[in-house]
Amino acid sequence: AQSVTQLDSQVPVFEEAPVELRCNYSSSVSVYLFWYVQYPNQGLQLLLKYLSGSTLVKGINGFEAEFNKSQTSFHLRKPSVHISDTAEYFCAVSGKGGSEKLVFGKGTKLTVNP
Amino acid sequence: NAGVTQTPKFRILKIGQSMTLQCAQDMNHNYMYWYRQDPGMGLKLIYYSVGAGITDKGEVPNGYNVSRSTTEDFPLRLELAAPSQTSVYFCASTKGGREVIQYFGAGTRLSVL
Repeated sequence: AQSVTQLDSQVPVFEEAPVELRCNYSSSVSVYLFWYVQYPNQGLQLLLKYLSGSTLVKGINGFEAEFNKSQTSFHLRKPSVHISDTAEYFCAVSGKGGSEKLVFGKGTKLTVNP
Repeated sequence: NAGVTQTPKFRILKIGQSMTLQCAQDMNHNYMYWYRQDPGMGLKLIYYSVGAGITDKGEVPNGYNVSRSTTEDFPLRLELAAPSQTSVYFCASTKGGREVIQYFGAGTRLSVL
């Protein structure tokens, strides 16, 4: 079984500042890792994913994440945030193969202030 | 290009009432999922299906039932609504195999009073 811990429930930042949203996972098998974003009153949209290969993955809207197997982490970063990045961000993990069930973290609310 | 469509968007139920949340996808995906989202708790898997006629329980199945008679549709049934089922429900689907990204519907916001 897998589990995901998002270390910060809320992250306030100023516009144009860098941001890092932290995610740690636990699994006894190899995993796929995902970051999803949820804007207010909307569904979830995929930001980026790690399946294999390069540990640094780039996603939409200027976000990137780095898979660190030894630290079991998959932190999300953006060098300069915009007001429009205000949303809730979810880290998720699934085991490779089988039913592709996702296990989600509890989410991090990113608030970008002017 | 509809993707995953959920109906209704909002619903208020009285305790003990029943209802079905509808989910349909037009991407010919094999796998479909139902999640519930509660504030500060992330998303929890209720039920999933790996193909027509095949369903299985997720982490929080109590109080819910599902069926999958076609590839496209995956309805979620609440038989005797309880206040603890007040939540936002999301349906998702994926092709499976090498395609592992799940695509989400816009959600159904349910209140049980």
